Amino acid sequence: DTEVTQTPKHLVMGMTNKKSLKCEQHMGHRAMYWYKQKAKKPPELMFVYSYEKLSINESVPSRFSPECPNSSLLNLHLHALQPEDSALYLCASSQDEGRVRRSNQPQHFGDGTRLSIL
Amino acid sequence: AQSVAQPEDQVNVAEGNPLTVKCTYSVSGNPYLFWYVQYPNRGLQFLLKYITGDNLVKGSYGFEAEFNKSQTSFHLKKPSALVSDSALYFCAVRDGRNAGNMLTFGGGTRLMVKP
Repeated sequence: DTEVTQTPKHLVMGMTNKKSLKCEQHMGHRAMYWYKQKAKKPPELMFVYSYEKLSINESVPSRFSPECPNSSLLNLHLHALQPEDSALYLCASSQDEGRVRRSNQPQHFGDGTRLSIL
Repeated sequence: AQSVAQPEDQVNVAEGNPLTVKCTYSVSGNPYLFWYVQYPNRGLQFLLKYITGDNLVKGSYGFEAEFNKSQTSFHLKKPSALVSDSALYFCAVRDGRNAGNMLTFGGGTRLMVKP
């Protein structure tokens, strides 16, 4: 069992829909991440939150909108996605002493949401 | 810039034999090195890391990795493979000296352990 919980596990949506992916951790980690992973490829970093503030946005299209309501929760709001956005979306968290850019702490991943865009 | 290379897309071993999954890296500063494993329909699981100190790092499930600075390598090893070790393995690096460089993953190596 993973300590990072992602819901839903699967999501099918049309290109005009609005949906949200949710991620929750109770390990006291203050750094949280969103990754996108295509089949048989490594994860690609999308966003990093440190102490509930957006720290890194890897030039992600605006149709993806992250939100960190509190230290345990991370959301990814989806709107007007394209078929090429179909992928496994992974959330991760790590300890962060306020220096996520220098951290040597491992990231703990959830099992992901498999997203399909029709 | 930092990068990671996993030269083998797939490694095949027989159960009970030793296994090695290769990883080489490139960073301009100090390397922080990680190994993760991903089972089908699951997220990545952390196996072990090298930050500093002893070059031989022991991790979860009997895995270990050896940091070799001169060869810029961090190969993952296990003395006796199990069928249940079959999965996708990712090596990752970040530069501990240069802020702003997040984790860079290698392309992944699929390990197949046959009975």
